[in-house]
Amino acid sequence: DQQVKQNSPSLSVQEGRISILNCDYTNSMFDYFLWYKKYPAEGPTFLISISSIKDKNEDGRFTVFLNKSAKHLSLHIVPSQPGDSAVYFCAATELLYSGGGADGLTFGKGTHLIIQP
Amino acid sequence: DTAVSQTPKYLVTQMGNDKSIKCEQNLGHDTMYWYKQDSKKFLKIMFSYNNKELIINETVPNRFSPKSPDKAHLNLHINSLELGDSAVYFCASKGQGDQPQHFGDGTRLSIL
Repeated sequence: DQQVKQNSPSLSVQEGRISILNCDYTNSMFDYFLWYKKYPAEGPTFLISISSIKDKNEDGRFTVFLNKSAKHLSLHIVPSQPGDSAVYFCAATELLYSGGGADGLTFGKGTHLIIQP
Repeated sequence: DTAVSQTPKYLVTQMGNDKSIKCEQNLGHDTMYWYKQDSKKFLKIMFSYNNKELIINETVPNRFSPKSPDKAHLNLHINSLELGDSAVYFCASKGQGDQPQHFGDGTRLSIL
């Protein structure tokens, strides 16, 4: 049973436009959400996170939105750049319940973002 | 200055062998993890460990065992390797509170 779902395996966006990556979760106990970016043959790299007490977090070109009632989060990248082409993973954890994340992260399957020139 | 480093990057071996993957972090983190990314690209937690507690994902066979000689290292030992163990294994570490996990570049294990 997938507790974190990324239903779009791939997404193609033109350079300079906005990229929107979506993620849904089913576990109500999740209270901390993260986005990771991954290039081939490398490990996931942390991008941005959001706590369940917030509905938005922004860091430069990256903004994450959280809709707790819908159990949905999204990552917005604007403007999209060629270097943004990678696989993006949504992840979640029960930070408070597990005493600081000792249970590890639950990942979605990833969305392959392709930025076209 | 690699924060989380794994060795080897590639490991090719035969069924039935015993192998180890090493992981070291220089971030001063208290908690380390092992994840497995299978052929379907899912990243799944196998173990988390700090100096107090080892948490094991119940689906992980007992042929897999983490060993931590000190706070900066969490090695993964695998006994009696099987074809289904072929995957990419990622080590990660995390500081306290809501700090994100930092990942190594992975070890691709191929069983012949």
